[in-house]
Amino acid sequence: NAGVTQTPKFRILKIGQSMTLQCTQDMNHNYMYWYRQDPGMGLKLIYYSVGAGITDKGEVPNGYNVSRSTTEDFPLRLELAAPSQTSVYFCASSYAGLSTNEKLFFGSGTQLSVL
Amino acid sequence: GENVEQHPSTLSVQEGDSAVIKCTYSDSASNYFPWYKQELGKRPQLIIDIRSNVGEKKDQRIAVTLNKTAKHFSLHITETQPEDSAVYFCAASLNDYKLSFGAGTTVTVRA
Repeated sequence: NAGVTQTPKFRILKIGQSMTLQCTQDMNHNYMYWYRQDPGMGLKLIYYSVGAGITDKGEVPNGYNVSRSTTEDFPLRLELAAPSQTSVYFCASSYAGLSTNEKLFFGSGTQLSVL
Repeated sequence: GENVEQHPSTLSVQEGDSAVIKCTYSDSASNYFPWYKQELGKRPQLIIDIRSNVGEKKDQRIAVTLNKTAKHFSLHITETQPEDSAVYFCAASLNDYKLSFGAGTTVTVRA
């Protein structure tokens, strides 16, 4: 199993550009998440999904959109990039919710700079 | 929502000594408390976790304690080694999907 795979690893955007961060998992996990990590800070939840066709907002959803058309894929879209979105983005997944005995598995991250 | 505070922000220890990181949480309904280790430029990796029905859990040189009354939990690393140098994050969850993370502790183990 490859686990959770994120692409690209690095990206530089100009203000106002758009892009999609890709995330795919091959563990047949139902739950998927997008977090952002700002320098010297913990992770903040952007969006999450409990299954194909279902998405919901986390703590910091403004400026982002997601979709979950398949169990495997959970792309994150930035429509109008702003400098405040400069961060490291982590995708994660789990088979079931955290109140069960499930663990969170993280992807390797995407470092995004908006200039 | 849940608020997790983590102390200290940096910790330097001599190899072989112990390291202790403490976290407090605000919502007494939180029931799952994982700890993650993140090496420079890498993804967070789960190293140990504890649920609210347990007071202490050990895994070799790592242990976590939970005090539900005081709403705090701690990570203990004994016999520290250079490979323990990393950023450690605590987190708390009160539902199925949302983990609230602390700001992290940078641990440096001096040889």
